[in-house]
Formats: sequence, C-alpha cells, structure tokens
Amino acid sequence: DGGITQSPKYLFRKEGQNVTLSCEQNLNHDAMYWYRQDPGQGLRLIYYSQIVNDFQKGDIAEGYSVSREKKESFPLTVTSAQKNPTAFYLCASSSINYGYTFGSGTRLTVV
Amino acid sequence: AQSVTQLGSHVSVSEGALVLLRCNYSSSVPPYLFWYVQYPNQGLQLLLKYTSAATLVKGINGFEAEFKKSETSFHLTKPSAHMSDAAEYFCAVSDAFQGAQKLVFGQGTRLTINP
Repeated sequence: DGGITQSPKYLFRKEGQNVTLSCEQNLNHDAMYWYRQDPGQGLRLIYYSQIVNDFQKGDIAEGYSVSREKKESFPLTVTSAQKNPTAFYLCASSSINYGYTFGSGTRLTVV
Repeated sequence: AQSVTQLGSHVSVSEGALVLLRCNYSSSVPPYLFWYVQYPNQGLQLLLKYTSAATLVKGINGFEAEFKKSETSFHLTKPSAHMSDAAEYFCAVSDAFQGAQKLVFGQGTRLTINP
C-alpha cells in the first residue's frame, strides 16, 4: 500500500543535540511538507518542497533544516538553535490529483 | 493572509446527540476548505473538503459541512454522535486545491462523547 512513513515514532533529544526525523513516501507525490503540532495551537508549517532539490521556509523555520535530494524523501533536522523543540511533528505530501496524505508523526521530547 | 478560527477548543456531547464544530475562515481569494480528524498519536485523516462546487459537503463517517460565504463559516456537523467520534478535529483553509498547496490550520477542537 502507498503511504508516508515517519520514523522514529518517539525521539528523545539532549540539550544541544541535532536530531533528524525521517519522512519517506511511495505515493509519487511531488510536494512534501513538515508541520509542527503543539497543544492548542493547531499545526504550523515548518518547511515545504514542491520539487526535488528545492524547498521553501514556512511560518516557523528557525532552528530547523531540510533537504530534498530524492522525490520520495524529505528529512527534517531539528538543530540546537531550536530552543523549544518538544512537539509532535507531522510530515505530509500532496500531488496534482490528490490532496494531502499525512504520516503518523514523530513525537520529539527534550530530556 | 489566510486564517482559520475554530470556536471552542473542547466540545462535549452525549452519544446520539448532534455534533456541531464551528469554523470561521478569512481569505482574500475564494477559499478551499477542509476538515481533518486526528486520533491520539496519529496523523490527520481527511473528513471532507469544499472546492467551490456544492456548498453542502458530505464526508466520511456521517459528517457534513456547509460553506456559507456570507458568514465566512464552514461548520462541521453530524446528526448523531458515536463513541468512536471522540478525537481532535481541525479545520483548514488553502488558496489551492491540488498540487503544492499550503494548508493553514485552526487550533483544533477536541470532541468528547459522553455515554
């Protein structure tokens, strides 16, 4: 079955560490997105990519970085510059013929 | 800029009662509107979408929503609540329906169903 796979499901980060969240899709979708979810704040866009080797900042890109070297992969790195990284992170993809498909999320906790 | 406001962060109804979740939007262009449902520690699942066709949109699991341009609203309803409807619901707006669309989400409404 086609879909989006996010890994790991749970991730713990120490202060000052960079961590990378994985997002892989086999839907052949062109566009991919990263959202951050905090209680009571809905989902906020971090980065998005419309094609390979191109990506744009969303509303809260500071402290995050991404790459899009392959169509099916869009990893998100949470850097030490992100002062409050504890959150639920959702990856999504979309194509010209379909709406969004979301992954099942990664819950990141700073310890 | 587009925005979405969901009225009520928590809604509680009895099983079998009407479910009404409120969503108001702001958009400078004709909007595309969406309702998503999220179960704990999971991703979002599309319930229904408005894409400028019929103003009354029917979705999955017995939900429907009505687009009212004069009120800038897109409220979600279900005639009879079921225990399995307990989840968090998000309204979202976009200026595009397909392709690389950026969704702007409301803050969410947590629906509780009382037995």
